[in-house]
Amino acid sequence: DIQMTQSPSSLSASVGDTITITCRASQDISNYVSWYQKKSGKAPKLLISDASTLESGVPRRFRGGGSGTEFTFAITALQPEDVATYFCQQSDSLPFTFGGGTKVQIE
Amino acid sequence: EVQLLESGGDLVQPGGSLRLSCVASGFLFLDYTMTWVRQSPEKGLEWVASISHDASRTHYADSVRGRFTVSRDNSQNAVFLQLNRLRGDDTALYFCAKSQLARRLFDPWDLWGQGTPVTVSS
Repeated sequence: DIQMTQSPSSLSASVGDTITITCRASQDISNYVSWYQKKSGKAPKLLISDASTLESGVPRRFRGGGSGTEFTFAITALQPEDVATYFCQQSDSLPFTFGGGTKVQIE
Repeated sequence: EVQLLESGGDLVQPGGSLRLSCVASGFLFLDYTMTWVRQSPEKGLEWVASISHDASRTHYADSVRGRFTVSRDNSQNAVFLQLNRLRGDDTALYFCAKSQLARRLFDPWDLWGQGTPVTVSS
């Protein structure tokens, strides 16, 4: 199975800050990584697919990058509504696997 | 409205069974692979099972293979997850999700339901 190691597990930042989350895959998965936002009591929301493709309607302050085994997710100009847990997920091979999640809070 | 609505979650004793349902609306259901994912505090998000658009192929996580069965009824726009021989570590919020592109398995999930809770406890 492909392990997705996500860090940090939590972070706190100020409104307007830029935050970055990293996901490392245990083997080369090309660009088959997606990033999801999970707010409490809400359905997960797909933000980025294919490592860097922003989904329709998602604000441009969300960004993704990387390939192979190293992937990054960033939020520039952090907003109060961005408080959530963010997950990476690989769709390169079965079983599909997720990172452990990063809980983002506002200071 | 494009949405997925899960139901069927409940409190069940170890060894018991449940059937989860997920009804879709707002898109051409019969064209899409559907997937079940669960979330628990202990394991985070965990892929459980997927079923192809025409139900010809199913795939399972090792942790549920032989105990869970995924099925679908395209005439009802519904996907199901039969949970048998339930264990404590099956306790989770169960989500159904739709693949982003038609007839694709190895794809992100661009639509999720709100989830239905399953608690396995005596």
